[in-house]
Amino acid sequence: EAQVTQNPRYLITVTGKKLTVTCSQNMNHEYMSWYRQDPGLGLRQIYYSMNVEVTDKGDVPEGYKVSRKEKRNFPLILESPSPNQTSLYFCASSLRPATNEKLFFGSGTQLSVL
Amino acid sequence: AQTVTQSQPEMSVQEAETVTLSCTYDTSESDYYLFWYKQPPSRQMILVIRQEAYKQQNATENRFSVNFQKAAKSFSLKISDSQLGDAAMYFCAYRRALNTGTASKLTFGTGTRLQVTL
Repeated sequence: EAQVTQNPRYLITVTGKKLTVTCSQNMNHEYMSWYRQDPGLGLRQIYYSMNVEVTDKGDVPEGYKVSRKEKRNFPLILESPSPNQTSLYFCASSLRPATNEKLFFGSGTQLSVL
Repeated sequence: AQTVTQSQPEMSVQEAETVTLSCTYDTSESDYYLFWYKQPPSRQMILVIRQEAYKQQNATENRFSVNFQKAAKSFSLKISDSQLGDAAMYFCAYRRALNTGTASKLTFGTGTRLQVTL
């Protein structure tokens, strides 16, 4: 089944404790992206990747890191999480960027930073 | 920068009735794509309908249709014969058609929460 697998679904952590949210797609998609969703703000892009080893900042990249060493994986890293990073996070992918193709979304990660 | 505005934070519709969710966007581009995504309580993001800016004909998917007004930069979603399963958050989204880095992102509106009542 074509899908984007994102883990974990829920995560509670404390300020400053490094964490990684994993994202993997099985569709050989070139384009992958991370979004955060906050009430009243919709979804905002954090980082994106056009292909292996090609990543760039989105609208709200501060406090986040990503890597794209393999085409299928695109982890989101919070080196030193802070309470303002409490949010719902989505990984998404599509075959190519800048098309009318739909984005395939993961099931989301609800992160709470205490 | 492109912006997407959904001015209705919440809407309510009775089962079997019709409801229209509004969306406006701001862009200087002539070629782009517009989408409506549905997010039920499960948090899953589901594509409802999409529209290419170069197409004059409004997109339709079963009970869902759009009213695309390019000059007015308006992209409303009409849901006919509303069902209980339509209750969700609905997001309007914009994507440029140029294949360059930042052009590839979806820009989302803030969402409209739709309630469906009996």
